[in-house]
Amino acid sequence: GDSVTQKQGQVTLSEDDFLFINCTYSTTTYPTLLWYVQYPGQGPQLLLKVTTANNKGISRGFEATYDKGTTSFHLQKASVQESDSAVYFCALVMDSNYQLIWGSGTKLIIKP
Amino acid sequence: DAGVTQTPRHEVAEKGQTIILKCEPVSGHNDLFWYRQTKIQGLELLSYFRSKSLMEDGGAFKDRFKAEMLNSSFSTLKIQPTEPKDSAVYLCASSPSAETLYFGSGTRLTVL
Repeated sequence: GDSVTQKQGQVTLSEDDFLFINCTYSTTTYPTLLWYVQYPGQGPQLLLKVTTANNKGISRGFEATYDKGTTSFHLQKASVQESDSAVYFCALVMDSNYQLIWGSGTKLIIKP
Repeated sequence: DAGVTQTPRHEVAEKGQTIILKCEPVSGHNDLFWYRQTKIQGLELLSYFRSKSLMEDGGAFKDRFKAEMLNSSFSTLKIQPTEPKDSAVYLCASSPSAETLYFGSGTRLTVL
């Protein structure tokens, strides 16, 4: 079946470090790929969307890229700040029009 | 614009009790979702409504979990009877499309 794997459970960085989070997916089609961010005490919110048409998305200093060859997609940021501390989820949107397939989340901790 | 409103923010129940969680979606959104979030299982879909019609009833959650949407601006999730393993954060989300879900801040349920 269709699946998403997000192996990095937690990433600890210092301010101004480079962030890289990776997800891999398994599906028979080319899905739309999403990144959601969840701040403490809140629900997830959409950060970025990447489709097969554009292969890349940019928002709030974050960049998402899509690699069809390796069936993976990445989230990166050149210089993280303490305010980026959150849990980051990758997700797929399949042909079915209602259900997202979610990764398990990566908790980003920024050391002061 | 008002976002998704969930009440209560916290709920403590004794094992065997019936609890009802409430959700007010964003006005004009046709899709409404209920999710359960735990550290172990991550985000699990409980129910999905499209234009007030139940499209997905959550499979394994069917026996004690019942979501209803009596009108386009209000939904409830009933858990009857509660068990300690139901302790989790319950998230409601509404959406104008399959990709962009707008989540509420969630209800944290503790079952003793």
